[in-house]
Amino acid sequence: DGGITQSPKYLFRKEGQNVTLSCEQNLNHDAMYWYRQDPGQGLRLIYYSQIVNDFQKGDIAEGYSVSREKKESFPLTVTSAQKNPTAFYLCASTPLTGPGDYRYTFGSGTRLTVV
Amino acid sequence: AQSVAQPEDQVNVAEGNPLTVKCTYSVSGNPYLFWYVQYPNRGLQFLLKYITGDNLVKGSYGFEAEFNKSQTSFHLKKPSALVSDSALYFCAVRALNSGNTPLVFGKGTRLSVIA
Repeated sequence: DGGITQSPKYLFRKEGQNVTLSCEQNLNHDAMYWYRQDPGQGLRLIYYSQIVNDFQKGDIAEGYSVSREKKESFPLTVTSAQKNPTAFYLCASTPLTGPGDYRYTFGSGTRLTVV
Repeated sequence: AQSVAQPEDQVNVAEGNPLTVKCTYSVSGNPYLFWYVQYPNRGLQFLLKYITGDNLVKGSYGFEAEFNKSQTSFHLKKPSALVSDSALYFCAVRALNSGNTPLVFGKGTRLSVIA
């Protein structure tokens, strides 16, 4: 089955540590996105990429980094510069072939907790 | 700038009664509108979308949404609520001709269906 896979499901980070969240899709989608979800704040865009080797900052990119070396993969690194990283992280993807096809598919999320 | 508002944090409805979850939006030009549903500790699932055409859009699980251009609204509806509809609902928007800019999500409305 085609889909989008996030791993791990739960992640614990110590103070001052960088951690990387994985996002892989086998849908042949062009664009991929990272959102952060906090209670009562909805989804906030961290980074997105519409093509391999290119990505753009979203609304809350500070303290995060990404790469897009392959079409299928869009890992997110939460660096020690992110002061409040505890949140639920969601990855999404969509084709960009036209409005009729445009529709985000989401992964199941990674819950990151600082310990 | 694109924005979406979900004015109710919580909606309570009795099982079997009709439900409405409200959404208003702001975009330059014609909108591309979506509804997603999220169950606990899961990613978002697509319910329905509006591009152009009929103002009443039918989606998954018996949900529908009505596009109202004059009121810039896209309210989600269901004629008869089920307990299993209890979840977090997100409205999302982008301008139709915005060059594939990412979706902007509302803060979510928690729907509780009481047996």
